[in-house]
Amino acid sequence: DAGITQSPRYKITETGRQVTLMCHQTWSHSYMFWYRQDLGHGLRLIYYSAAADITDKGEVPDGYVVSRSKTENFPLTLESATRSQTSVYFCASSLGQGANQPQHFGDGTRLSIL
Amino acid sequence: AQTVTQSQPEMSVQEAETVTLSCTYDTSESDYYLFWYKQPPSRQMILVIRQEAYKQQNATENRFSVNFQKAAKSFSLKISDSQLGDAAMYFCAYRSAFLFSGGTSYGKLTFGQGTILTVHP
Repeated sequence: DAGITQSPRYKITETGRQVTLMCHQTWSHSYMFWYRQDLGHGLRLIYYSAAADITDKGEVPDGYVVSRSKTENFPLTLESATRSQTSVYFCASSLGQGANQPQHFGDGTRLSIL
Repeated sequence: AQTVTQSQPEMSVQEAETVTLSCTYDTSESDYYLFWYKQPPSRQMILVIRQEAYKQQNATENRFSVNFQKAAKSFSLKISDSQLGDAAMYFCAYRSAFLFSGGTSYGKLTFGQGTILTVHP
């Protein structure tokens, strides 16, 4: 039972570079989410997807791009990384919307932009 | 838009004692879900307990229980018989029960700022 996996676990890059964070889930969950975690803010939603080829913006989408060509994958791309995007990024998935269908999280990617 | 507030940045408790973490939220919706997540140093996000707003009975999961006060928009977490393994960051989170909520995202979780819990032996 692999669940939801994120890669890489740690990443260091420079400003202006493009970087892609990967998220893969084995449950065939319809809904997938990207959050960023920053001190004092908790987790904030970047983008979400309700199904393959359906994505939409969350609270803090600027500077990020997502795609979802397959149900199981939901990569997050920083097209031109900035220092303000240094954060811990979490991918999550859920089967549906009910309380008995909570979001399951990956282990996070710590991204540092120098 | 919904907001979630955790007013205690840090809390501490002695092993085997009881501690309560506070959470308040603001919403105009009548149906929603509330969650507590635990984040240990390993960075995993672990679901601790969930509450459906239409249920008056407070949720319990072993040593974890909540005090859900809908009118006051309060959702506190009580940890009984605290253990060293309970040490972590705890997040309170809100989720609308509606698929479409003011144009915002499907099943979006709105998180509080987190409370760091230290357990002393």
